[in-house]
Amino acid sequence: GDSVTQMEGPVTLSEEAFLTINCTYTATGYPSLFWYVQYPGEGLQLLLKATKADDKGSNKGFEATYRKETTSFHLEKGSVQVSDSAVYFCALKTSYDKVIFGPGTSLSVIP
Amino acid sequence: DGGITQSPKYLFRKEGQNVTLSCEQNLNHDAMYWYRQDPGQGLRLIYYSQIVNDFQKGDIAEGYSVSREKKESFPLTVTSAQKNPTAFYLCASAPRGGSETQYFGPGTRLLVL
Repeated sequence: GDSVTQMEGPVTLSEEAFLTINCTYTATGYPSLFWYVQYPGEGLQLLLKATKADDKGSNKGFEATYRKETTSFHLEKGSVQVSDSAVYFCALKTSYDKVIFGPGTSLSVIP
Repeated sequence: DGGITQSPKYLFRKEGQNVTLSCEQNLNHDAMYWYRQDPGQGLRLIYYSQIVNDFQKGDIAEGYSVSREKKESFPLTVTSAQKNPTAFYLCASAPRGGSETQYFGPGTRLLVL
């Protein structure tokens, strides 16, 4: 069945460090891929998305590229800030509207 | 403003009691979803609905029920059959089909007394 796998957290980085959070997926057909961010006690917010192979989603300095050959959608940011501390979820949306989330990766950025 | 509202923010359930969580959206979305999130864990799909008067079980539907009588509303009932209901419940909606993202409500935290 369809699934999403993310790297285990928590991840702790110093401010201005480079961030990578790995995400791989298994799906039939051509899913859309998403990264969401969740701040403590809140719902999820869309961070970025990509709808077809080789698309790059970007927002607030974060980027991810839809790699069909490796079934991956890794999240990257060149220089993290303390305000980026949150939980990040990779997700896919199937052609029949079901959305599947990865387990989430907690990120803490220290000054 | 368009968006999704969930109420209440906190809900307390007694043993053997059914409770209903509200989810309303004014985004004119066809699809709506309920997820459960346990501390430090990801989201698990409880139920989803692609259209009024139709819904499908997700991965953890046992002990829960839903209805979709109106496009704007997708209430979730946590029944007494759900033995471990303490969690953070998130509702979401999305346009039907295509690659559009989901929009999430602020969540309801359910606690058992």
